This record gives sequence, structure tokens and C-alpha cells, in this order.
Amino acid sequence: DTAVSQTPKYLVTQMGNDKSIKCEQNLGHDTMYWYKQDSKKFLKIMFSYNNKELIINETVPNRFSPKSPDKAHLNLHINSLELGDSAVYFCASSPSLAGRREQYFGPGTRLTVT
Amino acid sequence: AQKVTQAQTEISVVEKEDVTLDCVYETRDTTYYLFWYKQPPSGELVFLIRRNSFDEQNEISGRYSWNFQKSTSSFNFTITASQVVDSAVYFCALSGGNAGNNRKLIWGLGTSLAVNP
Repeated sequence: DTAVSQTPKYLVTQMGNDKSIKCEQNLGHDTMYWYKQDSKKFLKIMFSYNNKELIINETVPNRFSPKSPDKAHLNLHINSLELGDSAVYFCASSPSLAGRREQYFGPGTRLTVT
Repeated sequence: AQKVTQAQTEISVVEKEDVTLDCVYETRDTTYYLFWYKQPPSGELVFLIRRNSFDEQNEISGRYSWNFQKSTSSFNFTITASQVVDSAVYFCALSGGNAGNNRKLIWGLGTSLAVNP
């Protein structure tokens, strides 16, 4: 059973295009996240939603727009893609129980902008 | 400010050696949470352990063990009798627990472990 799933796994596109990445979790968690991991493996938080409410919005270009239709889904839309957007994007979710902060990650989406 | 430091960028060992990955953290929160994650060459991020600040007991899971010491703000990870399958990047992370905290994880830069046959 897949816990956190992302589609697509690979995404190759040209500069200037618009693309979306979808994320779904079946863990019953209330909080979901988007991360960007660069080529040096640095993990950068981008956004977080708790019960469909945006709670973390890091310094990210406004070309990136998250959308959470319900607490099991968090999608990421990227407009006007740039070369620097090439990275692996991870979706994650975490429970809201007191003392439980661990995040469970999807398999990642490798985005290549040419 | 919160910070996680993994001073070892890369470690290379021979199979069956024991290896310890260091993690030092900084936080002003009185309650906080520490984590280790594994990222094998296949790329997924795998949650290994969570330790709450009020629980200083060390933990052992098979060949993995974790040593949490509040006095030195460290949460080190030891792999005993390492195997090739342990080759991965290992991340240490911190989350503050005080009121108003937004559940953000502060990540270390990772330690790349290579276990050679």
C-alpha cells in the first residue's frame, strides 16, 4: 500500500512551460509539505498545509503555487519554468498527534528543465 | 535560531566496520524533536527514528543505534557491522515543539556514507 504518492516520477520540459505535480497520502495525516532537493542534496521546505490551510510559505518565487483540495492531496503548480527549477521535488505528510512530528515522504519527482 | 550540523560530509568504510554519524543541534525550545532519515541511491527519503527532547533513552534497532545527549546537544547515529546496503545519505533534522511552532523541520546537510565490500 502506497503511503505518500507523487505523479509524475519524472518530468522533462522546456523553459517557459507550466507544469503540475500531484501528491496524495493515505495515512490520514493532517499536514502536508513540498520540498525541493537540489543537486547537492540540500532539502529546502517550500510550503506546508494543515487541513487545507497554508501554514508554511517559505521564500519561493510566486511562479510556484500549491493547492490543497482536501487534506489528503497537495498539488504543486509551477508557471514559466526556469532552468534553476530543475531539482527533485518531494511531497511529505505528518500526523498532527502531539509528540509526533515525523514526516513521511513520497518517492520524489525529478524535474528537468531544458 | 535553530540549527542542525552534520560535520561529516562523506564517510567511507569497509563492510563490517562500525560507523558513527554525528549530529549536533541548536535550539532554544524547551521541547523539541530530533529525527534521522536515510536517502539511498534510489532517491527516496526514509524515516528512521524520532526522539523527543524529554526522552533521553538511547535506542537500538537491529544494527542501528542512536545516542541522544542533551548535555552536548548531540544525537548521534551508529551503524554496527555496516553492510553495502547501508550506503546512503543520512540526514539529521530538528523540529521545535514550543507553542506557535509551525512544524517546520530544520535539516542538516547530510552525511554521505559509502560502505565498500
